[in-house]
Amino acid sequence: TQLLEQSPQFLSIQEGENLTVYCNSSSVFSSLQWYRQEPGEGPVLLVTVVTGGEVKKLKRLTFQFGDARKDSSLHITAAQTGDTGLYLCAGSGSARQLTFGSGTQLTVLP
Amino acid sequence: ETGVTQTPRHLVMGMTNKKSLKCEQHLGHNAMYWYKQSAKKPLELMFVYSLEERVENNSVPSRFSPECPNSSHLFLHLHTLQPEDSALYLCASSPGRYNEKLFFGSGTQLSVL
Repeated sequence: TQLLEQSPQFLSIQEGENLTVYCNSSSVFSSLQWYRQEPGEGPVLLVTVVTGGEVKKLKRLTFQFGDARKDSSLHITAAQTGDTGLYLCAGSGSARQLTFGSGTQLTVLP
Repeated sequence: ETGVTQTPRHLVMGMTNKKSLKCEQHLGHNAMYWYKQSAKKPLELMFVYSLEERVENNSVPSRFSPECPNSSHLFLHLHTLQPEDSALYLCASSPGRYNEKLFFGSGTQLSVL
């Protein structure tokens, strides 16, 4: 069974600060996705990374896939209150089935 | 608006009740999914339908029964649930069975008393 561990589980920061959240596994994934889920809503896909070492940027969000395709990070620059939400990573493994992490609950305070 | 609509948004039911959750997707996708989201746990895949054929069942209890009459509609029939079944139930769709770009609905928050 492929598992994804996300850290930290909870993160509370002030608006304007930078932060990084992590998604780690002992398994290799063919691709990895990041979703954001806001209260009362379903997850929304932010990005998919497929190549080891790949870096993708989405405005103030920077996503990186580890060289060995076992881990990923999400860095947010100058966080805003609108970034508040549950960030989920999901890996696609050998069975092409998505495995989700437990998520990082981010709260950005004004 | 993701193009995936779930009803009802909230549901409270007793352990002896029978209810159904509904999902409709307006994206022309070929695969639909039911996920269970419990606090502090990863999303659990319950069922997958691709082109109206159920292709996976991750040992979900028989008190959950899916139905997929066509590629746009998905139901989850509930009966004799337990309190530990209280959770957010999410429907999702994707263009193809192995196209893992998922589009989620807003979910049904279920409470079993």
